[in-house]
Amino acid sequence: KAGVTQTPRYLIKTRGQQVTLSCSPISGHRSVSWYQQTPGQGLQFLFEYFSETQRNKGNFPGRFSGRQFSNSRSEMNVSTLELGDSALYLCASSSRDSALEQFFGPGTRLTVL
Amino acid sequence: QKEVEQDPGPLSVPEGAIVSLNCTYSNSAFQYFMWYRQYSRKGPELLMYTYSSGNKEDGRFTAQVDKSSKYISLFIRDSQPSDSATYLCAMSETTDSWGKFQFGAGTQVVVTP
Repeated sequence: KAGVTQTPRYLIKTRGQQVTLSCSPISGHRSVSWYQQTPGQGLQFLFEYFSETQRNKGNFPGRFSGRQFSNSRSEMNVSTLELGDSALYLCASSSRDSALEQFFGPGTRLTVL
Repeated sequence: QKEVEQDPGPLSVPEGAIVSLNCTYSNSAFQYFMWYRQYSRKGPELLMYTYSSGNKEDGRFTAQVDKSSKYISLFIRDSQPSDSATYLCAMSETTDSWGKFQFGAGTQVVVTP
């Protein structure tokens, strides 16, 4: 079974631009969560989608948004990029209605210049 | 003060030694405790999770939870160079705690041949 895939793996943007990241969950998984990982703050939860609906949201500004498609694939968008948005963005999928067993993708490394 | 504290390391041990990792927490409502392993340029991988207090063993890995002391541990026996990674602890109150997971900062482990 293929794992969680994320594209692109690396991205370089400049301040003020916007970016869209993509995540394909493991086949059959309907829950997709997004996290931001930085050396200073560690792993921080952005939002979680289940059956195309956002079920949970973390404490990030409205510049961070996401959506999920009918095939469970998910996208995350960050508008008006700031230097502090430089991070590893991780997507995780889950097959059960449980947050405990999440499978993470390799992440997208975003650098904002 | 963060809800979950984890020494960032690095923790360097010779091959074959026991690796001892730990996290402390402040929220007594945490019931589920997880350990993840993250290799460089990869997403976190769930190693094991435990519910409430007690021990759980899986191969060379043993997780311990002491709720009275708000302290959890992960032991890796017969460590191998392939165990070199960052280990993150995570905790939640329920199984549907998307967004309410609290992750430790991660401890970098280096196993030298």
